[in-house]
Amino acid sequence: AQSVTQLDSHVSVSEGTPVLLRCNYSSSYSPSLFWYVQHPNKGLQLLLKYTSAATLVKGINGFEAEFKKSETSFHLTKPSAHMSDAAEYFCVVSDRSNDMRFGAGTRLTVKP
Amino acid sequence: DTGVSQDPRHKITKRGQNVTFRCDPISEHNRLYWYRQTLGQGPEFLTYFQNEAQLEKSRLLSDRFSAERPKGSFSTLEIQRTEQGDSAMYLCASSPTSGRAMIYNEQFFGPGTRLTVL
Repeated sequence: AQSVTQLDSHVSVSEGTPVLLRCNYSSSYSPSLFWYVQHPNKGLQLLLKYTSAATLVKGINGFEAEFKKSETSFHLTKPSAHMSDAAEYFCVVSDRSNDMRFGAGTRLTVKP
Repeated sequence: DTGVSQDPRHKITKRGQNVTFRCDPISEHNRLYWYRQTLGQGPEFLTYFQNEAQLEKSRLLSDRFSAERPKGSFSTLEIQRTEQGDSAMYLCASSPTSGRAMIYNEQFFGPGTRLTVL
């Protein structure tokens, strides 16, 4: 069975400061891991994906995530938050193409 | 725009009515998925198709729900005798069966249909 736990339901940062959104996963197989972002009234957009090619994954808009097998973690980071980063972020695990398990989401608030 | 599209974007209905949603996947994608997202939660898998075949259904998909993909292109999701608990965002996604996106299990999502049952 596979599952995802997003450790924070809400993260608030000031503009220009680092962002850390935490995700732990559980999977019986070698999983694919994703981070999606959802802005209000918009569809889910893929930020980045881990596919076993490299443990440090770079995504769009300056986001990165590091796959740590020993810690079963896939935390999302960004060095400097921008106001436009305010959104809901979902960590997703998939070990079969027809079964993606989403975390409950982390709402990121960016203060001016 | 060649992304996944869904129609309608919003639907308000009264309890007991039937509703139908449509999803148009990316044209070359063979796989199509339906998810439900309730407030404050991540999307939950409902069902998926490969071409016209419905290969898996979640236990969340009660007998009042039915999904079709008759020609292997667009899909419809129908909810009969709607209940207030059906109020949610219904998301559609598609994925290819070849190429890098298939290998990495990547799905492409539409904007969703927000259902409100009064």
